[in-house]
Amino acid sequence: AQSVAQPEDQVNVAEGNPLTVKCTYSVSGNPYLFWYVQYPNRGLQFLLKYITGDNLVKGSYGFEAEFNKSQTSFHLKKPSALVSDSALYFCAVRDMNRDDKIIFGKGTRLHILP
Amino acid sequence: EAQVTQNPRYLITVTGKKLTVTCSQNMNHEYMSWYRQDPGLGLRQIYYSMNVEVTDKGDVPEGYKVSRKEKRNFPLILESPSPNQTSLYFCASSYRVVGELFFGEGSRLTVL
Repeated sequence: AQSVAQPEDQVNVAEGNPLTVKCTYSVSGNPYLFWYVQYPNRGLQFLLKYITGDNLVKGSYGFEAEFNKSQTSFHLKKPSALVSDSALYFCAVRDMNRDDKIIFGKGTRLHILP
Repeated sequence: EAQVTQNPRYLITVTGKKLTVTCSQNMNHEYMSWYRQDPGLGLRQIYYSMNVEVTDKGDVPEGYKVSRKEKRNFPLILESPSPNQTSLYFCASSYRVVGELFFGEGSRLTVL
């Protein structure tokens, strides 16, 4: 069955430090992987996606994510965190063989401390 | 401007009073979906549609109905709302397969 896990409910990082938000997935076919961000009282916004090709994907606002097939992971990273990065982050997976289903993780709340 | 528009944004209603949350997209997307967001549970899919006149249940369809008569519109219908349907609802759309989802701003529903 298709699933996504975000093992951390909350991540705290000091401003200027690198950040990582973890995501692991399970699909029967090849995955399409996505990261979204949600700011307070707003809808989710697309950050980046992995479809195929280079395992390191670059996205909006300086974020990047690394696809690791052997570990079935797609961790979100940023070299230097900003206070404005504080938000709720969702990982999502879409099975290439079943493009109707898009499964979201439970979300990780990122706090960037000044 | 490419967007997904939901209405109403906020609604307080009473148990049993039928309501409809509208969703419209202007990107000619085939795929549309409704999610509900609850604390600690993340986003859960209610219904989705692969194209006009094609709809299917997501993970939590009980108590909801949808229709897709036109490509741009995908309304969510609560025939007899109950308090456990108090939630934040999101409509989203995308191109098929590789497309990322575009989300509306959300509709916060309270059922008393």
